[in-house]
Amino acid sequence: GAGVSQTPSNKVTEKGKYVELRCDPISGHTALYWYRQSLGQGPEFLIYFQGTGAADDSGLPNDRFFAVRPEGSVSTLKIQRTERGDSAVYLCASSSEAASYNEQFFGPGTRLTVL
Amino acid sequence: GNSVTQMEGPVTLSEEAFLTINCTYTATGYPSLFWYVQYPGEGLQLLLKATKADDKGSNKGFEATYRKETTSFHLEKGSVQVSDSAVYFCALLGIQGAQKLVFGQGTRLTINP
Repeated sequence: GAGVSQTPSNKVTEKGKYVELRCDPISGHTALYWYRQSLGQGPEFLIYFQGTGAADDSGLPNDRFFAVRPEGSVSTLKIQRTERGDSAVYLCASSSEAASYNEQFFGPGTRLTVL
Repeated sequence: GNSVTQMEGPVTLSEEAFLTINCTYTATGYPSLFWYVQYPGEGLQLLLKATKADDKGSNKGFEATYRKETTSFHLEKGSVQVSDSAVYFCALLGIQGAQKLVFGQGTRLTINP
């Protein structure tokens, strides 16, 4: 079956612009996660959804970042007033339910470049 | 808070060499531990996992044992292949309802024929 998909694969924007990054999880997966991976680093947690609600948004760096999952499936990560420091690969993952033994399946990521 | 420290790379080995990538962690209680792999041009994939102390995870000839006493989860393979060239990430998933994976910085492995 289809894995986690993310669009766009690459996004180049200018400082100060607004961007939206989309994630389509594996069908039926109730838990969805966003991570950010800077060059040469491991992924860092941003936010996690269980169903439609954000169960943990403690990793969002500031109030320019926001994520939604209105119908419990597709999620959109929104970044306002982008800064050069936001440049990174944004990863989405999903799992069948939020439990420590359930594998998180990762998408290919969206590479965001802020000029 | 929870953290993972990995052996710094890059690591370069010859085919059929023995591989060890060290990983130690700091966490409250007994987290679940994972090794993820990122092949060139591909997304992160789970390689193996262990959910309790003394468990051994294994896959594709790789092994790692959850050592509570040394808070370690070192990755090993007895004979590496060129196709094992990738970036390897050690990660933990904490207890107490925390669902966020905490990753190490990654170790880039290159295997030469």
